[in-house]
Amino acid sequence: EDQVTQSPEALRLQEGESSSLNCSYTVSGLRGLFWYRQDPGKGPEFLFTLYSAGEEKEKERLKATLTKKESFLHITAPKPEDSATYLCAVLGASGSARQLTFGSGTQLTVLP
Amino acid sequence: DSGVTQTPKHLITATGQRVTLRCSPRSGDLSVYWYQQSLDQGLQFLIQYYNGEERAKGNILERFSAQQFPDLHSELNLSSLELGDSALYFCASSVDGDRDLSGANVLTFGAGSRLTVL
Repeated sequence: EDQVTQSPEALRLQEGESSSLNCSYTVSGLRGLFWYRQDPGKGPEFLFTLYSAGEEKEKERLKATLTKKESFLHITAPKPEDSATYLCAVLGASGSARQLTFGSGTQLTVLP
Repeated sequence: DSGVTQTPKHLITATGQRVTLRCSPRSGDLSVYWYQQSLDQGLQFLIQYYNGEERAKGNILERFSAQQFPDLHSELNLSSLELGDSALYFCASSVDGDRDLSGANVLTFGAGSRLTVL
């Protein structure tokens, strides 16, 4: 069974204070690791897909990296508008299911 | 606006009742997914439909059922509701349910339907 664990559960940063969110995963045959952003009262919004260890993707102040066991979402010089819950998910090759397995998320608060 | 439309946004009902949640996928998307998000469980996959046919099943209770209609909209039916069914229910869509969920085939989520069972 695919499993995803995200840490920390919650993170408070001052504006401009860089940090990283962690996503540890166990999956049978990784077909993709996904990062989503979820604002309160809204659905998850797609950020990145990573496929293999060593891969990196960047978007504005966000950079996602992948190893064989975990992924990091690095946030450089965050702004208050980066406040949201960040979700990590994996797509495995087990069985015939094509659904994503999500972690519980990291709730990020960036204070001005 | 993600292009995935869910109604109603909020629903309050009593235990034992039945409700129907509706989802219209993004234009051009053939696959629809239903997820449940509760405070203690995170996002849990319920069921997937592709072009009208059930494609994959997750942790969906027998009291729950879904279908996808010829116009590709989908409905999730929840019956004999219990307090523990209170949650956010998300619909997501993708172009093709058979390919990896990335690139142009990424999962796009709706804003969700918040169900409260009293």
